[in-house]
Amino acid sequence: AQSVTQLDSQVPVFEEAPVELRCNYSSSVSVYLFWYVQYPNQGLQLLLKYLSGSTLVESINGFEAEFNKSQTSFHLRKPSVHISDTAEYFCAVRPFTGGGNKLTFGTGTQLKVEL
Amino acid sequence: GAGVSQSPRYKVAKRGQDVALRCDPISGHVSLFWYQQALGQGPEFLTYFQNEAQLDKSGLPSDRFFAERPEGSVSTLKIQRTQQEDSAVYLCASSFREGQETQYFGPGTRLLVL
Repeated sequence: AQSVTQLDSQVPVFEEAPVELRCNYSSSVSVYLFWYVQYPNQGLQLLLKYLSGSTLVESINGFEAEFNKSQTSFHLRKPSVHISDTAEYFCAVRPFTGGGNKLTFGTGTQLKVEL
Repeated sequence: GAGVSQSPRYKVAKRGQDVALRCDPISGHVSLFWYQQALGQGPEFLTYFQNEAQLDKSGLPSDRFFAERPEGSVSTLKIQRTQQEDSAVYLCASSFREGQETQYFGPGTRLLVL
């Protein structure tokens, strides 16, 4: 079984400041890792994913996440946030094999960008 | 449409009433998933279809929950004799095939049981 921990339920930050949203996971098997974003009244959208290869993955809107196997972490970072980044962010994992294709999510982190 | 659609977007039900939630996946997507998202929580897996076959229903919380996808496209999640604890957002997702494929989510159906 897998579990995902997002310790920060809310992260307030000023516009143009850097931000880090933390994600740690637990799994007895190798996993794929994902960050999804949920804007108000909208569905979940994939932000970025780690499948294999380079441990640093980037999104088109300036977010990046680094897979750290030894620390079982996949923290999300952005060097300078914009007001439009205000949303809820979910970290998720899915096993390479077994367990079907289901995603296991964390409880989410609400990012609130203020002027 | 280009994305996953769900209907209704909002549903208010009286306790004990049966409800049916519909999901239209992206055309051609083989895999379809249902998740339940309680207030303040992350989505939790309910069930998974590959075409019309329900391959995993381990997340369904009780035998009051039933899902089907008879022709391998549209899916319906049915909840019988709804209870207040069933109040949540029900999310549907689809992917082109198994493996590394990204799951694309619909906007969800917000169910409130009074």
